[in-house]
Amino acid sequence: DQQVKQNSPSLSVQEGRISILNCDYTNSMFDYFLWYKKYPAEGPTFLISISSIKDKNEDGRFTVFLNKSAKHLSLHIVPSQPGDSAVYFCAATSRYQAAGNKLTFGGGTRVLVKP
Amino acid sequence: EPEVTQTPSHQVTQMGQEVILRCVPISNHLYFYWYRQILGQKVEFLVSFYNNEISEKSEIFDDQFSVERPDGSNFTLKIRSTKLEDSAMYFCASSESTRGQGDRGTQYFGPGTRLTVL
Repeated sequence: DQQVKQNSPSLSVQEGRISILNCDYTNSMFDYFLWYKKYPAEGPTFLISISSIKDKNEDGRFTVFLNKSAKHLSLHIVPSQPGDSAVYFCAATSRYQAAGNKLTFGGGTRVLVKP
Repeated sequence: EPEVTQTPSHQVTQMGQEVILRCVPISNHLYFYWYRQILGQKVEFLVSFYNNEISEKSEIFDDQFSVERPDGSNFTLKIRSTKLEDSAMYFCASSESTRGQGDRGTQYFGPGTRLTVL
């Protein structure tokens, strides 16, 4: 099941620079997208989300961009901090078109921010 | 800040045994979920639960699995006869709402229970 795909398993970035994480999806029924961050031995922590009616959502250092025609979203973290080192998961759901709210996850991108 | 809690953090069991994983969702949330992550694989949806009944379940969630809200605070996942392939991290999540409700539909996850089946 490759409905949500994160093609980069890992990313290394210098502290203070921008981290860009990418996510692609294939299911056109998805209409709401979320990013979660996960530290080892913890559960996923919600970061930011975007509805399909928008193309950008910003929250502090985190911005998510959605390109519906390309079925692609990205997460920008700027400036990156050492505490951002974690695994980042992209997730998608059909919140407006279907009952329920199950999340379909990508495989994750491990981010390492070097001091 | 309210959070989802799960117990135990690690459960070791013998193949064929029954296990119950417990979760306490955020108190004003009405929708509850179980996900699992097998080592090295994606987080995958198991089941969603609302108003004391299953809303949706995946094909993984077969007759060996069941969920229950035994009281006003706990939400449990039972695996009747565990198999080796059930070894995984099991995450409970909850949300205030679901459809078209903006942030109220956001799912918040617990820290997980690591299930090891020997």
